[in-house]
Amino acid sequence: GENVEQHPSTLSVQEGDSAVIKCTYSDSASNYFPWYKQELGKRPQLIIDIRSNVGEKKDQRIAVTLNKTAKHFSLHITETQPEDSAVYFCAATLSGYSTLTFGKGTMLLVSP
Amino acid sequence: DAGVIQSPRHEVTEMGQEVTLRCKPISGHNSLFWYRQTMMRGLELLIYFNNNVPIDDSGMPEDRFSAKMPNASFSTLKIQPSEPRDSAVYFCASSSVQETQYFGPGTRLLVL
Repeated sequence: GENVEQHPSTLSVQEGDSAVIKCTYSDSASNYFPWYKQELGKRPQLIIDIRSNVGEKKDQRIAVTLNKTAKHFSLHITETQPEDSAVYFCAATLSGYSTLTFGKGTMLLVSP
Repeated sequence: DAGVIQSPRHEVTEMGQEVTLRCKPISGHNSLFWYRQTMMRGLELLIYFNNNVPIDDSGMPEDRFSAKMPNASFSTLKIQPSEPRDSAVYFCASSSVQETQYFGPGTRLLVL
């Protein structure tokens, strides 16, 4: 089955800096890669996703890149703000198969 | 759109008691997932249903756990008898064929 590795497990940055979280997956057939943000005590919420037919997707300060050859994808947050502090999860799946395989999560702390 | 609805939001019970968690998926979604989240084990998929049929229950810890989906708008996760190690946050999520899973607010379970 699919295996997703996520790094780093914790990340501390200063407000205004950029943050990068990286994930690798094992199943080359996977073609859908969502990212979730979970604030303390809240539910995981989708913030961005990418499909294997594109290499990059942006949404304001957030971007995701995908390298299918290397089987890794990354979340980039620019101009970080304290409200970006949360746990971020990456996930991977084969389209139509329904089950997401999640990474272990990255705790991002943005200091003012 | 009301989103995924879960009840109760918090449950405190004593070891040996039966616990029933409830979930109402987003209308029109045909897949439903039950997850358990703890600090030690992260986000674990327990079981998922497609069109009300259990497809994969390999994540269900043991026979004390059972899940049902009698119709497209309701699912239950039951633990009988409950044990302290079952203490966790239990999330329900639903999705349509586009794979994006939307999580409910979760049920925080404490077994004393």
